[in-house]
Amino acid sequence: AAGVIQSPRHLIKEKRETATLKCYPIPRHDTVYWYQQGPGQDPQFLISFYEKMQSDKGSIPDRFSAQQFSDYHSELNMSSLELGDSALYFCASSLGQGAGETQYFGPGTRLLVL
Amino acid sequence: AQSVAQPEDQVNVAEGNPLTVKCTYSVSGNPYLFWYVQYPNRGLQFLLKYITGDNLVKGSYGFEAEFNKSQTSFHLKKPSALVSDSALYFCAVKFWDSGNTPLVFGKGTRLSVIA
Repeated sequence: AAGVIQSPRHLIKEKRETATLKCYPIPRHDTVYWYQQGPGQDPQFLISFYEKMQSDKGSIPDRFSAQQFSDYHSELNMSSLELGDSALYFCASSLGQGAGETQYFGPGTRLLVL
Repeated sequence: AQSVAQPEDQVNVAEGNPLTVKCTYSVSGNPYLFWYVQYPNRGLQFLLKYITGDNLVKGSYGFEAEFNKSQTSFHLKKPSALVSDSALYFCAVKFWDSGNTPLVFGKGTRLSVIA
């Protein structure tokens, strides 16, 4: 079965640079979530989209922005990168907004900021 | 605010023995509870969830979990552990609000199954 696809899988950036992470949800899934997992930490929710509209917002820094496109893929744009942004970034997708809907996670993008 | 707690950072169990990974929750409404597993350098894999109905939920790879409302717990169990079960396990919760709600994760429990 098709899963959530994230690209790139690994990314190395310098401080103050920008990065764009991409997420392709499971086909027919209309909801996308972004999470950040720091080293040894649990995943923390950043932002989510339903039907191309932002639906919820978590601890996403103002330096980050995201959007969901007409084909339901999503991009997380990160600017003025800081050392503390080094983390594993997960995208998850679900079908619909129901609280009981399962979120299926991608393999993650590992970002290292030097 | 809703939260989950996983009281054990590490659980060690011998192969073939039953395993339990503990999770307690705190929510102001009806809880929706999930278990995920994370293998090294991999994403989170969904194991099972409790929405409503039977308190005993069966999931992937022989795992099950029991929802206990009076104890606000949702412990993950497996009758016979395998070495390949060694991984990081996350309990997560969300509850129905006016729209999409994100998962709130526990800190994770590292399970080590020893041959």
